Amino acid sequence: DGGITQSPKYLFRKEGQNVTLSCEQNLNHDAMYWYRQDPGQGLRLIYYSQIVNDFQKGDIAEGYSVSREKKESFPLTVTSAQKNPTAFYLCATVRPGNYGYTFGSGTRLTVV
Amino acid sequence: GQQLNQSPQSMFIQEGEDVSMNCTSSSIFNTWLWYKQDPGEGPVLLIALYKAGELTSNGRLTAQFGITRKDSFLNISASIPSDVGIYFCAGQSSNYKLTFGKGTLLTVNP
Repeated sequence: DGGITQSPKYLFRKEGQNVTLSCEQNLNHDAMYWYRQDPGQGLRLIYYSQIVNDFQKGDIAEGYSVSREKKESFPLTVTSAQKNPTAFYLCATVRPGNYGYTFGSGTRLTVV
Repeated sequence: GQQLNQSPQSMFIQEGEDVSMNCTSSSIFNTWLWYKQDPGEGPVLLIALYKAGELTSNGRLTAQFGITRKDSFLNISASIPSDVGIYFCAGQSSNYKLTFGKGTLLTVNP
């Protein structure tokens, strides 16, 4: 079955540590996105990539970094510079034709 | 940036009641979408609307793309307990980026 896999589902890290969230897709979609979700805040765009080896900052990119070395993979690193990293992170892809996003099942990051 | 105003923020209803929620924007969108998110999961697409004035149904769900292209509503008829979740509207522009509303939290009492 085609889909988006985010791992791990739950992640705990100590304050000051960098952490990388995985997003893998086998839908053969070109564009991939990372969103952050906080209670009552909706979904906020962190980074997106429309083709391999290219990515753009979203609305809240500070403290995050990404890479897009393969079409199937778009990992997100939450760095120690991110002041409030505890959140639910969602990865999404989109296929041409304005069909909307397909989302992964999310990773809940808790920094203690 | 673009913003969507989604209302209401939350709803508490009895099983069997109808539900209505809406989104408005200061910007025009080419596509309006409605998603549902279950707790701890990613949003799932419910309905996509592509033309101004379009009215589309998916089972008990009905959504409309406003004539001005700046608004959309979603209706759920005869609600059931599994309708519980967060409903998001989203507007899509030509570069495939979505702008999301802040969501409507729906609680259905059996």
